[in-house]
Amino acid sequence: GAGVSQSPRYKVAKRGQDVALRCDPISGHVSLFWYQQALGQGPEFLTYFQNEAQLDKSGLPSDRFFAERPEGSVSTLKIQRTQQEDSAVYLCASSLGPAEAFFGQGTRLTVV
Amino acid sequence: SQELEQSPQSLIVQEGKNLTINCTSSKTLYGLYWYKQKYGEGLIFLMMLQKGGEEKSHEKITAKLDEKKQQSSLHITASQPSHAGIYLCGALYNNNDMRFGAGTRLTVKP
Repeated sequence: GAGVSQSPRYKVAKRGQDVALRCDPISGHVSLFWYQQALGQGPEFLTYFQNEAQLDKSGLPSDRFFAERPEGSVSTLKIQRTQQEDSAVYLCASSLGPAEAFFGQGTRLTVV
Repeated sequence: SQELEQSPQSLIVQEGKNLTINCTSSKTLYGLYWYKQKYGEGLIFLMMLQKGGEEKSHEKITAKLDEKKQQSSLHITASQPSHAGIYLCGALYNNNDMRFGAGTRLTVKP
């Protein structure tokens, strides 16, 4: 595709349910970022991949959050046993390196 | 991110007025991004600055990076309602790790 694609666009989960959010980066982009954005806030860093290597996961808020990028392309952010405080927009971005980073439209997660 | 401070948090200006948004990093930057975000949408890239003292312009928006590469300002000349949105600065540090400020919500009154 021409841009970063995230799916689903919207997800409603019951508290305690596991969810998986997908990010398809731009083909060939080495770097991939995940961010969490609460309403009215700036994006908060979650984790960063360079190819398949997860170089920084310091932003993951708890061990319920897990991200992978096994083949250095598509990435999945998994949240186990979702809680209400997990409700947010999850943004994915990709870049070739220290250059313009392109963002997807985000996945809006609502935990009820 | 506590490493990146953005000010002001919100700004309301009359159409036609100029405005400035600031972004300050506690660490030396490898690069600095400016993005714009409309509610419920993704981030739209505006500019990236990498060199100390660099200045870039796009239409009525100008961004500068100071010589020490720790502070950037975004200036909009003769603001229009189409400029309204959330402006975010993103810092690129040496490890290619990108962090964002909290954003500035701009309202332009016609």
